[in-house]
Amino acid sequence: AQRVTQPEKLLSVFKGAPVELKCNYSYSGSPELFWYVQYSRQRLQLLLRHISRESIKGFTADLNKGETSFHLKKPFAQEEDSAMYYCALNPGGYQKVTFGTGTKLQVIP
Amino acid sequence: GAVVSQHPSWVICKSGTSVKIECRSLDFQATTMFWYRQFPKQSLMLMATSNEGSKATYEQGVEKDKFLINHASLTLSTLTVTSAHPEDSSFYICSAWGTGNADTQYFGPGTRLTVL
Repeated sequence: AQRVTQPEKLLSVFKGAPVELKCNYSYSGSPELFWYVQYSRQRLQLLLRHISRESIKGFTADLNKGETSFHLKKPFAQEEDSAMYYCALNPGGYQKVTFGTGTKLQVIP
Repeated sequence: GAVVSQHPSWVICKSGTSVKIECRSLDFQATTMFWYRQFPKQSLMLMATSNEGSKATYEQGVEKDKFLINHASLTLSTLTVTSAHPEDSSFYICSAWGTGNADTQYFGPGTRLTVL
């Protein structure tokens, strides 16, 4: 069975400071990893996925298969980054996605 | 991008009544939709996978007779909470894989259910 672990419930950083949201997963195959973001009073939306290897809103995430991690990083936090962030795993195809418990990022002005 | 809508956005009902929540894919067809439940300040818990034209697949611990799912068309799935109780109060969210962009799930805005 797959599992996604986000060890931090809350992460508070000052504006301009680096951000790293941790995500570890367990799955026997080669999954797809995602980061979703939920801003206050808005729906869940895709932030980025590992296969794209892209940077969205300054965020990046690298899949480390050796450490089974997919940490989300941003060099300089902005106030508008404050939101709930969920790491998610898809075994492949149209299958169900497993979500982590989420980390609330709070950027202090 | 693809859009998933839900109706209603919130509903309040009395204990013992049934409530139907609709999930629609507005500009794409979805053979598979997912229903999640989200408690305050907690993550999404998958309840069931809704398959167009066939029975839904429920996660362990989810009562299929209580949470009826119907996926009658490629753009509509419904979740009916039968004989609702206060403990069913929650935020229900649906999602769908876009057939035009297979590796992305699109989420509905959610439905807040409050059972009195």
